[in-house]
This record gives sequence, C-alpha cells and structure tokens, in this order.
Amino acid sequence: DVKVTQSSRYLVKRTGEKVFLECVQDMDHENMFWYRQDPGLGLRLIYFSYDVKMKEKGDIPEGYSVSREKKERFSLILESASTNQTSMYLCASSGGQSNYEQYFGPGTRLTVT
Amino acid sequence: KQEVTQIPAALSVPEGENLVLNCSFTDSAIYNLQWFRQDPGKGLTSLLLIQSSQREQTSGRLNASLDKSSGRSTLYIAASQPGDSATYLCAVSSASKIIFGSGTRLSIRP
Repeated sequence: DVKVTQSSRYLVKRTGEKVFLECVQDMDHENMFWYRQDPGLGLRLIYFSYDVKMKEKGDIPEGYSVSREKKERFSLILESASTNQTSMYLCASSGGQSNYEQYFGPGTRLTVT
Repeated sequence: KQEVTQIPAALSVPEGENLVLNCSFTDSAIYNLQWFRQDPGKGLTSLLLIQSSQREQTSGRLNASLDKSSGRSTLYIAASQPGDSATYLCAVSSASKIIFGSGTRLSIRP
C-alpha cells in the first residue's frame, strides 16, 4: 500500500514564525502536491513538484515556498506565518505522467495565533 | 477552464438504501477521474480511479461510472451503512491539473 505521512497532525504557531510542514511518501512517486482545505473553499493547490528540485506554483502560492531535495520528501514552508494561514494542509503523491491517481496523507491542522 | 461540480452538497438517507452521488465536469479532455472519501478532520482516502478510456470501476459495494461526452460521473453505493457516512469528493485530472469538486456530505441514518 502507498503510504504518505505528514510530520504533524496538529500544530500551533505564533504569527511571524517560520513553519515547516514535512511530507514523505514511500512509493517512489514522481509527483508530490501540497493543498490547503478550508470550509466553503474546498481543496486548493499551493505548490506541486514533478521531480527532485523542481517545483511549480499552484493556485495559491503566495506566502508559501517548497523544497524537494529528495524524491520521497516534499516540504512546505511558511516563511512568516499569518492568521489567514490557519487551515488543514494536505500532502499528496502520484505516479507517472499517464497515471495521476493521487494518494493523500492524513493532514496537518495548523493554527496560527 | 475545467470546473467540477458536486450536487447535492449534503445527503441523508436511511441505512440499507442504495444511493448515487453525482459529479459533473465542463471539459471532457480528461486523463482520469478519481473518487475520494474524507472523514472529519482526516485526509482523503482514494476509493476508485477511472481512466478516461474506461466506463466504470467497481470495488465492493461501490461502483463508479464515467461518461466523458456528457461530462458526468456517478458513484453508486449499494446497501448503505452508517460507516459510509463521510464527505465524498471527485477529482478530475487533465493536462497536469487536478481539479476537485466541493464534495457531498453523506449521512446514513441507522
């Protein structure tokens, strides 16, 4: 079974802090994604990566950056956390270009106070 | 621009009933369509993936169909159980983009 893990289930940070969210997958997938999910807004894509050291902006990249130094790990970075970044963050991975079946991690509920 | 719609937003049915959840999309040029289940506060669990060349997929009590020409997919749940209560989302993949519907919140009454 594909396994996608996220470093924390719940996280509480203060405004202005730098926040790292880690995601690891164990299926040698090329593609990895970061989404945020908010009530009434659904899932919105923040960033995605098709390969090591490659990244592409999604629909809402402002205030976020990412890092993919190894194939299995995709990190989401909030350079200076703000209260409007309080959300559920979901990581996903998928295989080759002809198969976009996505597998999701359990999510990280981030609260910025 | 691809848009994915799920109607209704919420559905409540008594246990044991068969039910259908709907997903519609505006652009038929898709690679595949995926159905997910999400329990409150949790991540998404993949239920079924239908490739663009397929018409349906089945897994246990679940059957998903795809009609690209009409831009529709349905998820059929047979003999519903209280444990099926969750939010169900569909997602359409096309040209490196994956677009999610807003989901249908399903409640099965014992």
